[in-house]
Amino acid sequence: GQNIDQPTEMTATEGAIVQINCTYQTSGFNGLFWYQQHAGEAPTFLSYNVLDGLEEKGRFSSFLSRSKGYSYLLLKELQMKDSASYLCAEKDSNYQLIWGAGTKLIIKP
Amino acid sequence: DTGVSQDPRHKITKRGQNVTFRCDPISEHNRLYWYRQTLGQGPEFLTYFQNEAQLEKSRLLSDRFSAERPKGSFSTLEIQRTEQGDSAMYLCASSLAGDTDYGYTFGSGTRLTVV
Repeated sequence: GQNIDQPTEMTATEGAIVQINCTYQTSGFNGLFWYQQHAGEAPTFLSYNVLDGLEEKGRFSSFLSRSKGYSYLLLKELQMKDSASYLCAEKDSNYQLIWGAGTKLIIKP
Repeated sequence: DTGVSQDPRHKITKRGQNVTFRCDPISEHNRLYWYRQTLGQGPEFLTYFQNEAQLEKSRLLSDRFSAERPKGSFSTLEIQRTEQGDSAMYLCASSLAGDTDYGYTFGSGTRLTVV
């Protein structure tokens, strides 16, 4: 996706912690979403950040720095079911979502 | 409400045929979006509706693509004279205008294979 950058693939170990980074263009920014997508399935909502700081939801947390155009998704206590693609999406000034290409997360036992 | 429904789940068609996909959004959602997604990529925006009005269609991939939402409820996406490059997952999503803090709710998608 244009303007959104995230790593293509990451590998982590079951039980560990992984951080998936996302950078975006700051002009017209109205919020940052993270979605999870398992292979062959639709994306499902994980988190939304519009203010700077960390939002925690159980094992998943999302961080935003508006001045840096940067966000990350932090996954703790990784489980095998967390193997999926993680999509970063920016809500622009027209309230449309601009999507990154996704980060494929591979969890190894 | 059972969420966003898309039909069919899978469609195999011969090149040159026309195909039509249907999306039923969450009933109280007034915005409906169509996306295309290919393997290893994020969703690619095609068009969206607010109620029955199509507010953005410039991103439709070519004039072979058209979408309707005649009564502001369900929507259809039609691809005429399909090409092999049209093979992809077509996703529909819905939201409530002015309340997108929870993003969009996606349907399960229609996977199109053009042979």
